[in-house]
Amino acid sequence: NAGVMQNPRHLVRRRGQEARLRCSPMKGHSHVYWYRQLPEEGLKFMVYLQKENIIDESGMPKERFSAEFPKEGPSILRIQQVVRGDSAAYFCASSNTGGLDTEAFFGQGTRLTVV
Amino acid sequence: GESVGLHLPTLSVQEGDNSIINCAYSNSASDYFIWYKQESGKGPQFIIDIRSNMDKRQGQRVTVLLNKTVKHLSLQIAATQPGDSAVYFCAENMVGAGSYQLTFGKGTKLSVIP
Repeated sequence: NAGVMQNPRHLVRRRGQEARLRCSPMKGHSHVYWYRQLPEEGLKFMVYLQKENIIDESGMPKERFSAEFPKEGPSILRIQQVVRGDSAAYFCASSNTGGLDTEAFFGQGTRLTVV
Repeated sequence: GESVGLHLPTLSVQEGDNSIINCAYSNSASDYFIWYKQESGKGPQFIIDIRSNMDKRQGQRVTVLLNKTVKHLSLQIAATQPGDSAVYFCAENMVGAGSYQLTFGKGTKLSVIP
């Protein structure tokens, strides 16, 4: 019973390159959430998706960042033209519902380093 | 600004003693709170949750207390063990956010002294 799978675990990109982060939710989960964590900080909400739909992207920067959760395959967080400030750990969580007291399970995260 | 924050950034506890980690929140309309444990290099792990219509909830070796009057949340860990060493985050689900959007505090690092 695999949990939330994120890959890659570590990603190094040069400034200006694109970063693609993948998240496979737990089996049976159709709700996916992306969070960003800076060193010594708590997690910051970025985006909430259901299959093929973006429900809430209020925490995602307007430029360079995009997310998708296609009908088939993992959810993708895409960062174009990365800058040093994008260096952080990006966590994905999934749940089987989106209600108030839904328990979301987190993946191990992708640590992005922009050099 | 931050809606959720912690009083103490670090906490050192002797093995076998009880630990208390505190958290303050500012949104009185928040309805649901969660404590997460994050070990180095790993994702947050759910510990225990509580809804705003409760003031106490117990799990295995952990208890969460909610004081809505002063908007304070605490996590108590009984008989702290070395495996409890981690960063602990409180998080709240913002009522009216329209989606499952957790707001996390900065975290408290718990170090257990053997």
